[in-house]
Amino acid sequence: GQQLNQSPQSMFIQEGEDVSMNCTSSSIFNTWLWYKQDPGEGPVLLIALYKAGELTSNGRLTAQFGITRKDSFLNISASIPSDVGIYFCAGLYNNNDMRFGAGTRLTVKP
Amino acid sequence: EAGVAQSPRYKIIEKRQSVAFWCNPISGHATLYWYQQILGQGPKLLIQFQNNGVVDDSQLPKDRFSAERLKGVDSTLKIQPAKLEDSAVYLCASSHRASYYGYTFGSGTRLTVV
Repeated sequence: GQQLNQSPQSMFIQEGEDVSMNCTSSSIFNTWLWYKQDPGEGPVLLIALYKAGELTSNGRLTAQFGITRKDSFLNISASIPSDVGIYFCAGLYNNNDMRFGAGTRLTVKP
Repeated sequence: EAGVAQSPRYKIIEKRQSVAFWCNPISGHATLYWYQQILGQGPKLLIQFQNNGVVDDSQLPKDRFSAERLKGVDSTLKIQPAKLEDSAVYLCASSHRASYYGYTFGSGTRLTVV
């Protein structure tokens, strides 16, 4: 099946720093999504990318759908303490098949 | 609008016991999903319903897991009998249609099998 490799596994940064994380796959996906999960909660959608090469921003978040359709990255600029959480990439193979990466755990030190 | 409701929030059972989780999706959402999230991993789809019909249950361990969505609204996921490796958070999600857009997750049920 389609496997997603997400990196890094964890990050420890200072408040105000920029963050970058990525997701790669050996398979092609039609859509890439980025979610954030806080402790004890379900994932919340941050950004959805619909076509290869697309670059989309949502406030301090920017994500891109790789040209090969096999990868995506998420950048967070000027991190703040509430950015702490686990970030998941997800690839949508078709409308019925969404696969998640293992997540990037972000810690922001004030 | 109200979110996806799940209960219970936590459950501890012994192996070989049975357990059931309940999910109430957002009103009007026709598509409902159950995911299993093992600690340190991303969610894995177990089953997808469209109204009260099953769309995809290819990753559901059918020898011990079952799910139903009577009347196309609430859903129940059952494990019988539970194994230690079933310890995980079980997430329910719903969407207006079979699409990622508007996919809303509940807070999940954390199951511990001892």
